[in-house]
Amino acid sequence: AQSVTQPDIHITVSEGASLELRCNYSYGATPYLFWYVQSPGQGLQLLLKYFSGDTLVQGIKGFEAEFKRSQSSFNLRKPSVHWSDAAEYFCAAHNNNDMRFGAGTRLTVKP
Amino acid sequence: DSGVTQTPKHLITATGQRVTLRCSPRSGDLSVYWYQQSLDQGLQFLIQYYNGEERAKGNILERFSAQQFPDLHSELNLSSLELGDSALYFCASSEASGGLAEQYFGPGTRLTVT
Repeated sequence: AQSVTQPDIHITVSEGASLELRCNYSYGATPYLFWYVQSPGQGLQLLLKYFSGDTLVQGIKGFEAEFKRSQSSFNLRKPSVHWSDAAEYFCAAHNNNDMRFGAGTRLTVKP
Repeated sequence: DSGVTQTPKHLITATGQRVTLRCSPRSGDLSVYWYQQSLDQGLQFLIQYYNGEERAKGNILERFSAQQFPDLHSELNLSSLELGDSALYFCASSEASGGLAEQYFGPGTRLTVT
């Protein structure tokens, strides 16, 4: 069955530290891949997306993600986290009009 | 602000009742999507409309239905409500249909069924 997995439910990092949020997908063919961020009480905002081509994708707010076909992964990274990055992050995959989301990773940023 | 509006922001109702959630897409967007976010099920795609026609269906219950009107706003109707229907319901819109289209999410309607 098609699925998106985010293995980490909650991650805590110190402000200024680097961040990597993991995402794995299980699809027959490579789907379109997305990372969204949800701040408390808000809707989702698209950070970046991957369709094809360069496997390192740049997004907004200094985020990037790397697509690795061999590992069926699409991990999100940021070199230096800011306190305002504290939020919930969702990985998503779209294939044949079917959009699926991971369970989300909640990011806490320590001062 | 994504440009997508949803009303009401909060809704409290009793089991067995019926409610209607409303979504106005961004100006110019033809596609509207509905999602349900709950603690149990996470974020789930329910249904998509494109220019008034149903385009894709996800995990939408038979008790739920949606439509998109000629002015492109959409309504999600939830009937015979159960406690488990308590969730945050998001609407998103995009200019086009399909996986390439970037979706813009509204702030959501929080439904509480008591």
